[in-house]
Amino acid sequence: AQSVTQLGSHVSVSEGALVLLRCNYSSSVPPYLFWYVQYPNQGLQLLLKYTTGATLVKGINGFEAEFKKSETSFHLTKPSAHMSDAAEYFCAVRIQGGSEKLVFGKGTKLTVNP
Amino acid sequence: GAGVSQSPSNKVTEKGKDVELRCDPISGHTALYWYRQSLGQGLEFLIYFQGNSAPDKSGLPSDRFSAERTGGSVSTLTIQRTQQEDSAVYLCASSFYGEGWRAFFGQGTRLTVV
Repeated sequence: AQSVTQLGSHVSVSEGALVLLRCNYSSSVPPYLFWYVQYPNQGLQLLLKYTTGATLVKGINGFEAEFKKSETSFHLTKPSAHMSDAAEYFCAVRIQGGSEKLVFGKGTKLTVNP
Repeated sequence: GAGVSQSPSNKVTEKGKDVELRCDPISGHTALYWYRQSLGQGLEFLIYFQGNSAPDKSGLPSDRFSAERTGGSVSTLTIQRTQQEDSAVYLCASSFYGEGWRAFFGQGTRLTVV
């Protein structure tokens, strides 16, 4: 069964520092992978997704993620954190076939310190 | 509007009462999903609709939970005899295959059982 593990429920960085949020997945078939962001009291917004093709995926707000099959990872990065990046981030894998539902990790709350 | 709409945004109910949560998906989206988000638990899949049928109900936690979808559009999630552990944010998402698969989420309904 597909599953997603996000390492670190809380990550704190300084403004301007590198943001690295870790995500590892397990999947018996080639995965479709997603990162969503959730700002306080709001729904989920898609940051980026990997389906096929180029393994380095660029998303909104300067975020990017790299699919590494050998490491079963899809870590999210941003070179320089902004205060507005403070939010909760969710990694998800799509189960292909059947319901094609998204299976989510437990989320990582990002704090950006001035 | 153009997005997924959920109502009410907040609901406080007494233990033992029934509640109905509504989701209006994006027009033309055939797939609809309900998720539950509890503190520290990430997003838990509840049920998936394709059109008006629900081929995957595997996430419904008990027989107190049910959902229906009519006209291939609006969906209602009903929780009977609510319990305090039902307190959570209930998120609805809809999806389509055009331009690659992606799911769009509503803002959620925050349910508090007192």
